[in-house]
Amino acid sequence: DAGVIQSPRHEVTEMGQEVTLRCKPISGHDYLFWYRQTMMRGLELLIYFNNNVPIDDSGMPEDRFSAKMPNASFSTLKIQPSEPRDSAVYFCASSLWGSYNEQFFGPGTRLTVL
Amino acid sequence: AQSVSQHNHHVILSEAASLELGCNYSYGGTVNLFWYVQYPGQHLQLLLKYFSGDPLVKGIKGFEAEFIKSKFSFNLRKPSVQWSDTAEYFCAVNAGGNRDDKIIFGKGTRLHILP
Repeated sequence: DAGVIQSPRHEVTEMGQEVTLRCKPISGHDYLFWYRQTMMRGLELLIYFNNNVPIDDSGMPEDRFSAKMPNASFSTLKIQPSEPRDSAVYFCASSLWGSYNEQFFGPGTRLTVL
Repeated sequence: AQSVSQHNHHVILSEAASLELGCNYSYGGTVNLFWYVQYPGQHLQLLLKYFSGDPLVKGIKGFEAEFIKSKFSFNLRKPSVQWSDTAEYFCAVNAGGNRDDKIIFGKGTRLHILP
């Protein structure tokens, strides 16, 4: 299995631009998680899905952030408009049967907003 | 609000030294507990997990962790570290013990092993 795939691996953009991060979970996994990692705040859970349906989005910092999962093999995290404080590494992870099971993480997308 | 505290942000040890990384959580109900590790340039991966039963859990690469319910702790230990253990270590808690309950990560501990 290829594991969790994220794209792009690096993104540099200017403040105010729209940013879309993409994730392909491991085939057969029914849970998908989006995280943000910064030095100050550590690893924060933003939102997670079960069978493509959002379960909890209370970690999404602002309305500028949105996430979708149109099918079992694809999810996006969008930031519009982006701000410098959004600069972070964004991880996607997937698991089988829930958040109490092992999560498999992608390589992350390093986002820099100038 | 539920939280996970990792008290050591950065630890430096020499090879063969013993390791203990602290993890405390704030939740009074059922929990599932995890330690994840991120080696330089690699993905986060599971080191070990506790669901129920024996509170002493053994993981990969000689790591173990002990769940002490009365102390709300799940400390990670290794009797003799190696240079290859240099990594960032994350403690995580699934508060509630159900598949849809939120998982909360600590801020991580950077471990640097001197050769």
